[in-house]
Amino acid sequence: EVQLVESGGGLVQPGGSLRLSCAASGFTFNNYAMSWVRQAPGKGLEWVSVISGSGDNTYYADFVKGRFTSSRDNNSKTLYLQINTLRAEDTAVYYCATVGSSWSIFDYWGQGTLVTVSS
Amino acid sequence: QSALTQPASVSGSPGQSITISCSGTSSDVGGYNYVSWYQQHPGKAPKLMIYDVSNRPSGVSNRFSGSKSGNTASLTISGLQAEDEADYYCSSYASSSTVIFGGGTKLTVL
Repeated sequence: EVQLVESGGGLVQPGGSLRLSCAASGFTFNNYAMSWVRQAPGKGLEWVSVISGSGDNTYYADFVKGRFTSSRDNNSKTLYLQINTLRAEDTAVYYCATVGSSWSIFDYWGQGTLVTVSS
Repeated sequence: QSALTQPASVSGSPGQSITISCSGTSSDVGGYNYVSWYQQHPGKAPKLMIYDVSNRPSGVSNRFSGSKSGNTASLTISGLQAEDEADYYCSSYASSSTVIFGGGTKLTVL
């Protein structure tokens, strides 16, 4: 059974940093690209990034503007999202998801981790 | 990148059919057959319902179907059931290896 478990969220002050993690199990992790998708409270889904199965290629949404870095450790089957210079508008539930045969297919999702940016 | 355009809400009675539209541009919806649809119940993670415009993942009811014409994709739910009440989001591959979501549609089963 595919399982994705995010962690690392919490309350952080504006300008601070966080590293989110997504622990994967139940599938061959390095065979799959992975994405981060976020959802602000009461708002819609917003794609954040995708990283290839090898980790060699990453792509980001325009709003990231160099503040976010996605990485992965295929040995420990863990996906990461480093978020720097946090802003109030980054407040959201951050989901990790497996990517299917095309990059708009998110087959399996974690339960999400909440990031709250507030002073 | 602007979000794909979806109606904020749609409603229907049990047994009826409803259609949710998802409008984009030739740089996303119209340019690729890579449109997906997701169902999200309150407090839950999204669930993939349709991929590559019209394909259903294993386990998804055949009451759900997808199509596309030009820059607009559509999700149709037939034989509406109470458990279909949820938020629905479309997504599309876009240029420069990015993905864009729609703003979401709240489906109410009357």
